[in-house]
Amino acid sequence: GENVEQHPSTLSVQEGDSAVIKCTYSDSASNYFPWYKQELGKGPQLIIDIRSNVGEKKDQRIAVTLNKTAKHFSLHITETQPEDSAVYFCAASRYGGSQGNLIFGKGTKLSVKP
Amino acid sequence: GAVVSQHPSRVICKSGTSVKIECRSLDFQATTMFWYRQFPKKSLMLMATSNEGSKATYEQGVEKDKFLINHASLTLSTLTVTSAHPEDSSFYICSARVTGGTDTQYFGPGTRLTVL
Repeated sequence: GENVEQHPSTLSVQEGDSAVIKCTYSDSASNYFPWYKQELGKGPQLIIDIRSNVGEKKDQRIAVTLNKTAKHFSLHITETQPEDSAVYFCAASRYGGSQGNLIFGKGTKLSVKP
Repeated sequence: GAVVSQHPSRVICKSGTSVKIECRSLDFQATTMFWYRQFPKKSLMLMATSNEGSKATYEQGVEKDKFLINHASLTLSTLTVTSAHPEDSSFYICSARVTGGTDTQYFGPGTRLTVL
């Protein structure tokens, strides 16, 4: 089955710097890759997603890149702000599958220092 | 759009009692909903997939008689933890997928269950 590895587990950056979180997946049939932000005591919030027919997607300060050959995808946050501090999870699934189950990485705790 | 609610947000119960958690899609229909469990500082663990009008599909190692799932309508799924024990204490989160939409899952705010 699918396995998703996420690095780093913790990341501390200075406000205004960029943050990059990387994930690798094992199932070459996976074709949907969402990223979620989870604040303490809350449910995960979808922040951006990408499908395998696209190599990069941007939404303001957030971007995701996908390398299908290497089977890895990354989240890039530019001009970080203290409110970006949270745990970020990557996930992978097969679009169109009967279940569409998301397989999550272990999460990255991002701390943005003012 | 795509808002998912959960009720209650927190619940404390005694060992041996049952607790029901509701998951609702507020502004869309969801044929498929998912139930996850999350331990402190850990990732989300899928417990089961709930399909409206049919039996839930449980992940390996999840006791279906202990975690009863009912998905009676296109906007409501419930998880009942039966005969709860302290080891069932956890953060339970549901998600929902838009009927006829993509594989995007929208998550609820979670329910913190504490079993004394």
